Amino acid sequence: DAGVTQSPTHLIKTRGQQVTLRCSPKSGHDTVSWYQQALGQGPQFIFQYYEEEERQRGNFPDRFSGHQFPNYSSELNVNALLLGDSALYLCASSSRLEAYEQYFGPGTRLTVT
Amino acid sequence: AQSVTQLDSQVPVFEEAPVELRCNYSSSVSVYLFWYVQYPNQGLQLLLKYLSGSTLVESINGFEAEFNKSQTSFHLRKPSVHISDTAEYFCAVGPGAGSYQLTFGKGTKLSVIP
Repeated sequence: DAGVTQSPTHLIKTRGQQVTLRCSPKSGHDTVSWYQQALGQGPQFIFQYYEEEERQRGNFPDRFSGHQFPNYSSELNVNALLLGDSALYLCASSSRLEAYEQYFGPGTRLTVT
Repeated sequence: AQSVTQLDSQVPVFEEAPVELRCNYSSSVSVYLFWYVQYPNQGLQLLLKYLSGSTLVESINGFEAEFNKSQTSFHLRKPSVHISDTAEYFCAVGPGAGSYQLTFGKGTKLSVIP
């Protein structure tokens, strides 16, 4: 039973560029959440996708956007990258029957130079 | 609004000694509480959770946490730590009524000294 997978593992981008991160949820899960973890901090909630729509959003600017596909996989897009966007981006999946229990992927390390 | 405070950013402890990692939370609704562990260069793994019922919850690797509603705390304990317990531990609250997000503390780095 595959867990949550994310790609790529690492990514280096330049300020002003755009980036797309990808996530496949755990088998049987239909909900995907994205979190940003800056160095030395706890994860911060970006948004959650369910039934291909953004269900809830954290305190992040519109430069952060996402998408969920019919197979429940998801993408996180960040436009106009800033140095402060450098972080570990974590994807978590859950099921609507057990929405409180989120399973995390290994993350994508984004470095903006 | 929900918030989590982890009172210690770093906790060094000798191998086979007991440890307590402290967590206090604030929430205006019924809470679900979690401890996650993060090993270097890895994602988060769920260690244990409190949803309802018994206030003492245990993990398969010897950790336990106790939900204390009056003190709004959910401290993590282990009676005897191992080198392999060296990691960062995050306390989290939620999701709750009307909210689907987990709110995390800033984490506690547990360093087990041989």
